[in-house]
Amino acid sequence: GQQVMQIPQYQHVQEGEDFTTYCNSSTTLSNIQWYKQRPGGHPVFLIQLVKSGEVKKQKRLTFQFGEAKKNSSLHITATQTTDVGTYFCAGQRAGNKLTFGGGTRVLVKP
Amino acid sequence: NAGVMQNPRHLVRRRGQEARLRCSPMKGHSHVYWYRQLPEEGLKFMVYLQKENIIDESGMPKERFSAEFPKEGPSILRIQQVVRGDSAAYFCASSLQISDGYEQYFGPGTRLTVT
Repeated sequence: GQQVMQIPQYQHVQEGEDFTTYCNSSTTLSNIQWYKQRPGGHPVFLIQLVKSGEVKKQKRLTFQFGEAKKNSSLHITATQTTDVGTYFCAGQRAGNKLTFGGGTRVLVKP
Repeated sequence: NAGVMQNPRHLVRRRGQEARLRCSPMKGHSHVYWYRQLPEEGLKFMVYLQKENIIDESGMPKERFSAEFPKEGPSILRIQQVVRGDSAAYFCASSLQISDGYEQYFGPGTRLTVT
């Protein structure tokens, strides 16, 4: 079945630094979505990427969908304490349910 | 427009008891998904339902677990004869459609503790 892997599992970041988390699918996707879960909270939808090579930005967050539509990345610049949480990618093949990756847990050192 | 609602938010059960978790999807959403999350782990898909139909239950344990989404009322995830290993957060999500590109809206979760 479809598998979605995320690396790293944990990301310790100094406040103000940049980092990138990666998402890889075992199959070609029709779209990929990213969610954020704050500690003790529930996942919240951030963004969706559909087109090959697509890049979208939300303030300090930059999301990219690979050319082969099998991988994606999330890059955060100038990390803030509000960025703490777990970031999940979720891949979807046409007509199928979302498959979530294991998440990247982000810890910010002030 | 109320979001996805789940209750109870916290549930404590003794081993061998039954746990019933409820989920009311967002208004207008007919697709419901249940996920289980252990501490420090990802979201494990359990089951996908539409009104009165189970579409995909590939993530459900074969025994003790069942789910329904009746024509009227919330979706129910039922765990019979709970064991300590069932302790987890159970999230429900809903979407407008399953066609490509419809994001899922998650409820606040039910945190089940089995003592």
